[in-house]
This record gives sequence, C-alpha cells and structure tokens, in this order.
Amino acid sequence: DARVTQTPRHKVTEMGQEVTMRCQPILGHNTVFWYRQTMMQGLELLAYFRNRAPLDDSGMPKDRFSAEMPDATLATLKIQPSEPRDSAVYFCASGASWGLDEQFFGPGTRLTVL
Amino acid sequence: AQSVTQPDIHITVSEGASLELRCNYSYGATPYLFWYVQSPGQGLQLLLKYFSGDTLVQGIKGFEAEFKRSQSSFNLRKPSVHWSDAAEYFCAVGPSNSGYALNFGKGTSLLVTP
Repeated sequence: DARVTQTPRHKVTEMGQEVTMRCQPILGHNTVFWYRQTMMQGLELLAYFRNRAPLDDSGMPKDRFSAEMPDATLATLKIQPSEPRDSAVYFCASGASWGLDEQFFGPGTRLTVL
Repeated sequence: AQSVTQPDIHITVSEGASLELRCNYSYGATPYLFWYVQSPGQGLQLLLKYFSGDTLVQGIKGFEAEFKRSQSSFNLRKPSVHWSDAAEYFCAVGPSNSGYALNFGKGTSLLVTP
C-alpha cells in the first residue's frame, strides 16, 4: 500500500531552534508539495517541486524557511530559526504525472514552537 | 485570481440524512475541481475530481458532486450520511497561478449526530 510518509509526526521545540521535517513521497511520483495548516489560515501552499526542481516557493517565508529534495525519495522542509507563529501542521503531498491529478497527502507533522 | 469559498464552516446532520456541502469558485478559465476529506489527525484524502465531461462526478464512499458552470459551484452530496463521515471537507481548484498547485477552501467541518 503506497503512501507518503512524514517524520517526525510530532515536534515540540523552543523558539530559535532549527526544525527539520522530512517527507518520503510515493515511489514514482515526481511532484512534491509542502502545505501548512492552521486554524486561522487553513491550508496554505508553501512550496512544490517537480522532478526535484523547485517550481514555486512563493508561499514560504524566505528568511527562515527552506525546502529541498536531495533525491527523489526525500523532501525536506527546514525552519531556522523557528518562531511560535510557525506552530502548525505541515503536510507533504506527492503526485504523479503533471501534478494536477490526485495529490496523496502524508499524515502531517504537528509542530509546536514554545 | 483563483479562489474557493466554502460558505459553511460547520454543518451538523443526523445519521441517515442527506448531505450537501457547498463550494463556490472563482476562476478565469475551465477549472479543475476537487473534494478532499480529512479525518481527525490524518492527512487529506481525495473523494472525487472534475476535469471535464459529465458534470456529475461520482467519488469514493458514496459521495458525488455536480459542476455547475453557471453558478460557479461544485457542491458535494451524499444521499445518506454515516457516522464515519464526520470529518473536515475541503474543496480545491486548480491550476493555481503557480502552475500545478491547488487553491484550497477553508473547509467545512461535518458533525454527524445519532
């Protein structure tokens, strides 16, 4: 049963610390998305990749967030330094072909920054 | 700009009753439309999608949605709700300005009463 995996599932950290979230897309999928979900803003797109190349990261605060795909099986989202307003659930999703087909979501990483 | 509006933040229905969740979109061309469901603590799962063709789309778990271009709507329906349908439902439209990504609505929370 192919699925997107995300680690860690939960992360509690203190303000100023670095946070790294990892995502393993479904094997063969070539589009990877990072979303952030909060009560106030709902689901926001942070960045996405196609064939490991970043296509859009306009939703990401550039000064503290970075997203990469070191290889086809791993996507990372890093926050440095973290702030309390970054507390949210971060979802990774992957898609096949041209990406406007179904996006398969991971279970999310719940981040709490104290 | 593309946008999705889900007018109802919360909806409560009795088990066995029919359900309709509303979704209105703003889009300059023919949209690609999706409904996703999110169970507590889980990622999003695709219920159904509309790209073209028949405006009545069948999905998983007994859901269907109808695309009405004249009303800019894509409402989700189910004839008889089960307690397990209690979840958050998201409507989404694409492609976004950035290409492959989707614009999600704020979601509708469904509560099912006995």
